[in-house]
Amino acid sequence: NAGVMQNPRHLVRRRGQEARLRCSPMKGHSHVYWYRQLPEEGLKFMVYLQKENIIDESGMPKERFSAEFPKEGPSILRIQQVVRGDSAAYFCASSPLLAGGYNEQFFGPGTRLTVL
Amino acid sequence: RKEVEQDPGPFNVPEGATVAFNCTYSNSASQSFFWYRQDCRKEPKLLMSVYSSGNEDGRFTAQLNRASQYISLLIRDSKLSDSATYLCVVSETNTGNQFYFGTGTSLTVIP
Repeated sequence: NAGVMQNPRHLVRRRGQEARLRCSPMKGHSHVYWYRQLPEEGLKFMVYLQKENIIDESGMPKERFSAEFPKEGPSILRIQQVVRGDSAAYFCASSPLLAGGYNEQFFGPGTRLTVL
Repeated sequence: RKEVEQDPGPFNVPEGATVAFNCTYSNSASQSFFWYRQDCRKEPKLLMSVYSSGNEDGRFTAQLNRASQYISLLIRDSKLSDSATYLCVVSETNTGNQFYFGTGTSLTVIP
């Protein structure tokens, strides 16, 4: 059973370009979460999605950032018109659908975005 | 006020030492608690869940004090391979909702 997959692992963009980060959850997992980790800082929640639904986007910047998790295919985190401050590691995590109990999240290897 | 607060360290301890990390959380409605481990430039990986009664996994012991909103992790007989950043994680529901991460406590085990 493959783990959470993210691609690309490293992404370099110039200011003003678009960045697309992809995440394929673990098999059987229907919940996807995106986190951002700035250098020397902790992980910050961005958005929580289920298939075709955004459940919680309270951590997403109001502009330039969007996320989707379509019925088919990976979850996509899209950053438009990137700025240098967007440079960070972006981690995706997934968890199974649980009616109760402890909701462990499994993390992908991350995408390291560098904005020049 | 941060949702989850940890002592950032760094903790530098000799091999074989016992070390304890503490964490406090602000939301009394929090229901799920975890310790994750993150190696440099890698993804976080679950070390252990934290149960109300406390739990132990080999050299690692986790404790939860709901009244004080406090979580701890004890590592006995430290190994060089324990060197990493330890992340305290709190979730408010048991239904897969967002995690709140502490900034992490850095541990270096010295030969």
